[in-house]
Amino acid sequence: DAGVIQSPRHEVTEMGQEVTLRCKPISGHDYLFWYRQTMMRGLELLIYFNNNVPIDDSGMPEDRFSAKMPNASFSTLKIQPSEPRDSAVYFCASSLAFGGWDFGPGTRLLVL
Amino acid sequence: GIQVEQSPPDLILQEGANSTLRCNFSDSVNNLQWFHQNPWGQLINLFYIPSGTKQNGRLSATTVATERYSLLYISSSQTTDSGVYFCAVEDFGNEKLTFGTGTRLTIIP
Repeated sequence: DAGVIQSPRHEVTEMGQEVTLRCKPISGHDYLFWYRQTMMRGLELLIYFNNNVPIDDSGMPEDRFSAKMPNASFSTLKIQPSEPRDSAVYFCASSLAFGGWDFGPGTRLLVL
Repeated sequence: GIQVEQSPPDLILQEGANSTLRCNFSDSVNNLQWFHQNPWGQLINLFYIPSGTKQNGRLSATTVATERYSLLYISSSQTTDSGVYFCAVEDFGNEKLTFGTGTRLTIIP
């Protein structure tokens, strides 16, 4: 398996623009997680899905953030409109119940 | 929520030295993992170790769940071991991982 795949790897955009981050989990994993990493706050969970259903989105910072998982092999995290404080590395991870977690390479987002 | 503390926060060692990193957690856990974040930012899964001891080459880990701590041992350190080591836990009834603040390890040639 190729592991968790994320795209794009780097994104530079201007404030106010829409940003869409994509994730393909490991085949057969039934949990998918979106994390954000910043120097100030470390690694924080934004939202996670079980069998494509959102379970906990309490970490989503505000209504500008939304996430979807239309099928078992694809998820998106969207920021609209983006702001400079959204600049961070966004990680997607997947896992099996009672199993280890695997993280994607991350998307480094810079909002100017 | 569950609290995860890692120590030391920073560690600088000469190549060839051994090190022990510690992770304390505040409640019973269903899962514990150690990750290495390399200088390129990639989070590498080292061990899935909710209890017991595991070894993988120069690295080993021990989790004592009843006493709520885990240790990561690195022997014969190499410069490629540099980076940040994170402990992350999943408490019962809650499938999400909570990360510690990490230990930054720097190996000097």
